[in-house]
Amino acid sequence: EPEVTQTPSHQVTQMGQEVILRCVPISNHLYFYWYRQILGQKVEFLVSFYNNEISEKSEIFDDQFSVERPDGSNFTLKIRSTKLEDSAMYFCASNKAYYGYTFGSGTRLTVV
Amino acid sequence: GESVGLHLPTLSVQEGDNSIINCAYSNSASDYFIWYKQESGKGPQFIIDIRSNMDKRQGQRVTVLLNKTVKHLSLQIAATQPGDSAVYFCAENISGAGNMLTFGGGTRLMVKP
Repeated sequence: EPEVTQTPSHQVTQMGQEVILRCVPISNHLYFYWYRQILGQKVEFLVSFYNNEISEKSEIFDDQFSVERPDGSNFTLKIRSTKLEDSAMYFCASNKAYYGYTFGSGTRLTVV
Repeated sequence: GESVGLHLPTLSVQEGDNSIINCAYSNSASDYFIWYKQESGKGPQFIIDIRSNMDKRQGQRVTVLLNKTVKHLSLQIAATQPGDSAVYFCAENISGAGNMLTFGGGTRLMVKP
């Protein structure tokens, strides 16, 4: 069964540093997403991406965040200057259209 | 603001029993709902979905019920197994308003052998 692949599985970074989280969505999917989950809390939407541009973003997705699809397979989330409160699990997801969301296993980001 | 919430944070059941996990939603415009299962250290795994033009949908050992009158969603798991132990989330979407999902807070299901 096709999977959404995320790397790394765990990233530790110092406060103020830039991090890039990587995702390989399912190959024939058209919509790509980032969600995050702070420990013990619910999953929160960050951003959706379609046709090489952001289609929706939440209030969490401020100017410290950016997304990119640098080639035909990768989808990245960049946090420019990490804060302690950015520590969370970050999930990438993709789907073809309205249905069929598939999530990756996540990257645990720890900001120290 | 509008939100999706869960009634029970933890549900403990005996192996072989049926489980019912509930979810309340407050946005009457939501018309697509999904149940996800999340095991420790993993991403949300799709279980079953339902659109608002349906009241019930069945899958393998799972049934989702939607009551639009009281804005309530439930997930029924038949013959619960130890492998069903996980956190279960409901999520909602409003068609025509983008593809973002709004998740509820999660219910932990614990299956006792």
